[in-house]
Amino acid sequence: AQSVTQPDIHITVSEGASLELRCNYSYGATPYLFWYVQSPGQGLQLLLKYFSGDTLVQGIKGFEAEFKRSQSSFNLRKPSVHWSDAAEYFCAVGGMNRDDKIIFGKGTRLHILP
Amino acid sequence: NAGVTQTPKFRILKIGQSMTLQCTQDMNHNYMYWYRQDPGMGLKLIYYSVGAGITDKGEVPNGYNVSRSTTEDFPLRLELAAPSQTSVYFCASSPPGLRIGSSYEQYFGPGTRLTVT
Repeated sequence: AQSVTQPDIHITVSEGASLELRCNYSYGATPYLFWYVQSPGQGLQLLLKYFSGDTLVQGIKGFEAEFKRSQSSFNLRKPSVHWSDAAEYFCAVGGMNRDDKIIFGKGTRLHILP
Repeated sequence: NAGVTQTPKFRILKIGQSMTLQCTQDMNHNYMYWYRQDPGMGLKLIYYSVGAGITDKGEVPNGYNVSRSTTEDFPLRLELAAPSQTSVYFCASSPPGLRIGSSYEQYFGPGTRLTVT
């Protein structure tokens, strides 16, 4: 069965510092992987996705993520965070098999120190 | 393109009342979904639909009903509201994936914040 683990519930970084949010998944075949961001009071917005090909994917707002099959991970990174990046981030896994639904992690809330 | 729209944005219900949460998408997506989001719990799938006339239960369907008469609309019905249904509800849509039943990324509406007292 599919599952997603985001081990960090909260992360605090200083503005301008680098960021890495962790995501581990469980899926029996090649997964579809996603990162979404949710600003307070808003819906979820897709940051980036991985289906196949290059394992380093670029997204919007300067984010990138790397798919590591050997570690079942899809960590999200940003070299220098801005105060506007404070939000909740969700990793999700889906698949190409029939009846595979997208499963969301429980989220990591990012706090930015000025 | 408005994307996925939801109404209302906020609603307070009394226990036992009923209501319908509206969801419309203008992207001609086949797949539509209803989630609820509770603090620290991520998103839980309530119901989904792979096309007009076809709906199926998700992880937490009890207390809810859906219909899909058109591609665009996917309303969620609460018949007898209970305090446990206090939550934020998100509708999403998705284009179909490579195989029947699979899907690509989902596009979310802004949500409906529901309080049942």
